[in-house]
Amino acid sequence: DTAVSQTPKYLVTQMGNDKSIKCEQNLGHDTMYWYKQDSKKFLKIMFSYNNKELIINETVPNRFSPKSPDKAHLNLHINSLELGDSAVYFCASSHLDSGFYSFGPGTRLTVT
Amino acid sequence: RKEVEQDPGPFNVPEGATVAFNCTYSNSASQSFFWYRQDCRKEPKLLMSVYSSGNEDGRFTAQLNRASQYISLLIRDSKLSDSATYLCVVNMGGTYKYIFGTGTRLKVLA
Repeated sequence: DTAVSQTPKYLVTQMGNDKSIKCEQNLGHDTMYWYKQDSKKFLKIMFSYNNKELIINETVPNRFSPKSPDKAHLNLHINSLELGDSAVYFCASSHLDSGFYSFGPGTRLTVT
Repeated sequence: RKEVEQDPGPFNVPEGATVAFNCTYSNSASQSFFWYRQDCRKEPKLLMSVYSSGNEDGRFTAQLNRASQYISLLIRDSKLSDSATYLCVVNMGGTYKYIFGTGTRLKVLA
């Protein structure tokens, strides 16, 4: 049973395109996250949703828009992709404030 | 000072060796601490929590030093399979945010 799943696993696209990444968790967690891990392996939080409400919104270009249709899903839409957006994007879930994260397998985004 | 800092390594150690990493944090109000492990091209996975009194899980021991604001991870009798990047995670006191360190890379050599 997959606890946190993401699709797609790999995404190769050209600059200027718009793309979406989907995430689902079946752990019953109330909080979901998007993290970006760049080439230097720094894992940086982008957004967090608790019970469908945005609670963390880091300094991220507004080309990135998260959407949480329900507690089990958190999607990430990226407009006008740029070269610097190339990274691995991890979805994660937890109970709020617990620190016990379950991560998805990551989406490796390459912008050419 | 960065919120969470780790020596990136790599730490190259022979099998059977004992190795320790530290992670320093800047927010004195931080209350929760964890170690995660990330294998190459994989997602991070929880290794262990770090309790005030320290805790041990098999060959792994985690400790907290509040006075000096760092946590440590000690691995005894290193195995080849311990080769990975070890990330410390620290709560930003009074917030929902947890900050990940950049990780310390460990290579256990045969």
